[in-house]
Amino acid sequence: ELKVEQNPLFLSMQEGKNYTIYCNYSTTSDRLYWYRQDPGKSLESLFVLLSNGAVKQEGRLMASLDTKARLSTLHITAAVHDLSATYFCAVGTSGSRLTFGEGTQLTVNP
Amino acid sequence: EAGVAQSPRYKIIEKRQSVAFWCNPISGHATLYWYQQILGQGPKLLIQFQNNGVVDDSQLPKDRFSAERLKGVDSTLKIQPAKLEDSAVYLCASTPPYPGNTEAFFGQGTRLTVV
Repeated sequence: ELKVEQNPLFLSMQEGKNYTIYCNYSTTSDRLYWYRQDPGKSLESLFVLLSNGAVKQEGRLMASLDTKARLSTLHITAAVHDLSATYFCAVGTSGSRLTFGEGTQLTVNP
Repeated sequence: EAGVAQSPRYKIIEKRQSVAFWCNPISGHATLYWYQQILGQGPKLLIQFQNNGVVDDSQLPKDRFSAERLKGVDSTLKIQPAKLEDSAVYLCASTPPYPGNTEAFFGQGTRLTVV
């Protein structure tokens, strides 16, 4: 059974600081997705990573994928309050099924 | 482009009652998913449809949950009878028909509270 583990699960950081969220998974896959969820809202797609070494950046967020290490990272640069949300990674497997991690609840404090 | 539509947004029922949720995916999306998201956890796949056929329902509690996708478009998820532990947000998602692209687009969800 595929396991997807994120860490940390809770992250409180100050505005202007940098930090990285890690997503480890237990089986081979070359499809990794990052989603954002605001309280009471649905999931918003952030990044789609479809090959080893893929790196994508959008604003203050950058995601990367290392399929050999079965690891994806979401790096936050110079955090701002608007980034406060829960971030999920999800691994794609056969049949286009997604298996999600537990989520990282990020709080950015002024 | 219209997104994934779900209704109702909220539902409160007593245990042992039945409930149904409706989903209309993005036009042209052949694959439709129902996920269950319990508070504080990541979404868990319940069932996946490809057009009107079931691809994966291995995690669907079939003694109480059922789902259908008539005509390969709209879908309905039903719970009968509901238990307290079914309290969760039920998310519907769909994916475009492009080979190898499985980016899922999610609806707003239905928040179910069983009391």
